Amino acid sequence: GESVGLHLPTLSVQEGDNSIINCAYSNSASDYFIWYKQESGKGPQFIIDIRSNMDKRQGQRVTVLLNKTVKHLSLQIAATQPGDSAVYFCAENIAGSGGSNYKLTFGKGTLLTVNP
Amino acid sequence: KAGVTQTPRYLIKTRGQQVTLSCSPISGHRSVSWYQQTPGQGLQFLFEYFSETQRNKGNFPGRFSGRQFSNSRSEMNVSTLELGDSALYLCASSLVVGYGYTFGSGTRLTVV
Repeated sequence: GESVGLHLPTLSVQEGDNSIINCAYSNSASDYFIWYKQESGKGPQFIIDIRSNMDKRQGQRVTVLLNKTVKHLSLQIAATQPGDSAVYFCAENIAGSGGSNYKLTFGKGTLLTVNP
Repeated sequence: KAGVTQTPRYLIKTRGQQVTLSCSPISGHRSVSWYQQTPGQGLQFLFEYFSETQRNKGNFPGRFSGRQFSNSRSEMNVSTLELGDSALYLCASSLVVGYGYTFGSGTRLTVV
């Protein structure tokens, strides 16, 4: 049958505002988390990552927060710019048996639109 | 340095045919993973290779297969194509399994 497109959560902000994109992850055993940005026609681009032994990590204009208690991840973008408009994915990396069989599991994504 | 290179960029195939997609990882990266991206299912893991060995596999039928060569380049093959196989196929490489994945721009496969 015909597949239904994902109804992506959307976030619309004004240029210069701060953006917060949220993500709930599924596996309490996940030990590594990554945020990716995907622009139309391109592959996902790495933004920032965080390991499970941390609860906050900062990059250039971006901060990732990890709350393991409620299995929640957030990406904060400071002074959002039109070039930040894209779909943002969180991904969790789950180690398989023996610790060597990793698999990245992606969230559904959030569409960020920055209005000039 | 060059990023992850996927060829071809676009492909149109007919139902029942087979297709081979290619991925050249970043120089020095030995891990290559493949993902399927569709509007309905999002990004789904297909498989990961490291040093020519498949390390992990997602929940896809046996029509989807892959391999990795000694130079770390990887190919994935889909046999007996179905309309539902139309998707963006993404390859990602990393230095080690589990961390630091860099994605290519993907191959857009359309099955008609």
